[in-house]
Amino acid sequence: AQSVAQPEDQVNVAEGNPLTVKCTYSVSGNPYLFWYVQYPNRGLQFLLKYITGDNLVKGSYGFEAEFNKSQTSFHLKKPSALVSDSALYFCAVNEAGTALIFGKGTTLSVSS
Amino acid sequence: AAGVIQSPRHLIKEKRETATLKCYPIPRHDTVYWYQQGPGQDPQFLISFYEKMQSDKGSIPDRFSAQQFSDYHSELNMSSLELGDSALYFCASSQGGTNEKLFFGSGTQLSVL
Repeated sequence: AQSVAQPEDQVNVAEGNPLTVKCTYSVSGNPYLFWYVQYPNRGLQFLLKYITGDNLVKGSYGFEAEFNKSQTSFHLKKPSALVSDSALYFCAVNEAGTALIFGKGTTLSVSS
Repeated sequence: AAGVIQSPRHLIKEKRETATLKCYPIPRHDTVYWYQQGPGQDPQFLISFYEKMQSDKGSIPDRFSAQQFSDYHSELNMSSLELGDSALYFCASSQGGTNEKLFFGSGTQLSVL
């Protein structure tokens, strides 16, 4: 069975500092990996995905994520955090043709 | 650009009542997914449709049913509502039966009293 874990409920960073939101996954085959962001009272917004190819994936709003097969991780990163990045971030995984499975979410709080 | 439209935005029902949630996908999207997100929880997959046929089924209770219509909009029908059904219900759409990039609606907040 496929699963995804986000070990941190909350990540706090100061504006301008780099941020990392962690995600590890478990699938039996080749993983499709995603990051979504959720702002209060809003739907989930797609940030980026890894299907195949380069391990470093660049997405929306300056975010990027690195696929590490040996560590089964797909951490979300941004070189310089903005206060407006404060939101709930979900990592998701699936295998081809199956529904997305979401992690529990990590609240990112960026202080000014 | 047009997005995924869900209606109603908010719905208040009492126990044992029924509710119908509607989802209008992005134009030319033929695939719809339904997710349930409880307070402080991650979204849980309920059911999906591709070309008006059920394509996958998740943790959808037997009290719930859904369908996709000829215009690709989808409706989630919920009967015998329970307090635990109170949640945010998201619909997402994509094209071609894939879920490589889902577009989510803003959700319907269902409160069961």
